[in-house]
Amino acid sequence: GENVEQHPSTLSVQEGDSAVIKCTYSDSASNYFPWYKQELGKRPQLIIDIRSNVGEKKDQRIAVTLNKTAKHFSLHITETQPEDSAVYFCAASIRYGGATNKLIFGTGTLLAVQP
Amino acid sequence: NAGVTQTPKFRVLKTGQSMTLLCAQDMNHEYMYWYRQDPGMGLRLIHYSVGEGTTAKGEVPDGYNVSRLKKQNFLLGLESAAPSQTSVYFCASGSPNTGELFFGEGSRLTVL
Repeated sequence: GENVEQHPSTLSVQEGDSAVIKCTYSDSASNYFPWYKQELGKRPQLIIDIRSNVGEKKDQRIAVTLNKTAKHFSLHITETQPEDSAVYFCAASIRYGGATNKLIFGTGTLLAVQP
Repeated sequence: NAGVTQTPKFRVLKTGQSMTLLCAQDMNHEYMYWYRQDPGMGLRLIHYSVGEGTTAKGEVPDGYNVSRLKKQNFLLGLESAAPSQTSVYFCASGSPNTGELFFGEGSRLTVL
């Protein structure tokens, strides 16, 4: 079955610096890779996703890159702000005919942005 | 539009007791999921459903059962609770058309 590894488990950066979180997946058939953000005591929420036919996707200060050959993908946050402090989860799944089946998550990264 | 609603939000059980967590969604989503969240373990998939009347095992299904009798509801049952099932449980739903999952607020379960 699918296995997703995520590093680092904790990350502390200064406000304005960049943060990078990396994930690897095991199932080469995986073709959908979302990232979720979970603030303290809240529910996880989707912040960005990428499909396997795309190598990079950007949304303002957030970008995700995918290397299918190496089976890893990364989240990049630039110009970090204190409100970026949260736990970030990567995930991977296999989509059949446009349908998402089971989504397997990494173990999470606690990002702390120091003012 | 309530989105995904979980009940109860908190529950304390004794070892061996049974209980059911209810998840309800009003977005007409085909897919529904139950995850548990433990410190350092991330979100682990317990069971999921791709449609009314169907269920499938996830990563950690042992000790849990589920039912999807109605499209909008997904029930998670613990027949004989164990301390190892102390966790925060999240329900989520999603559409075949997009990959995004919408999560409920979570249910904190403590088994003594």
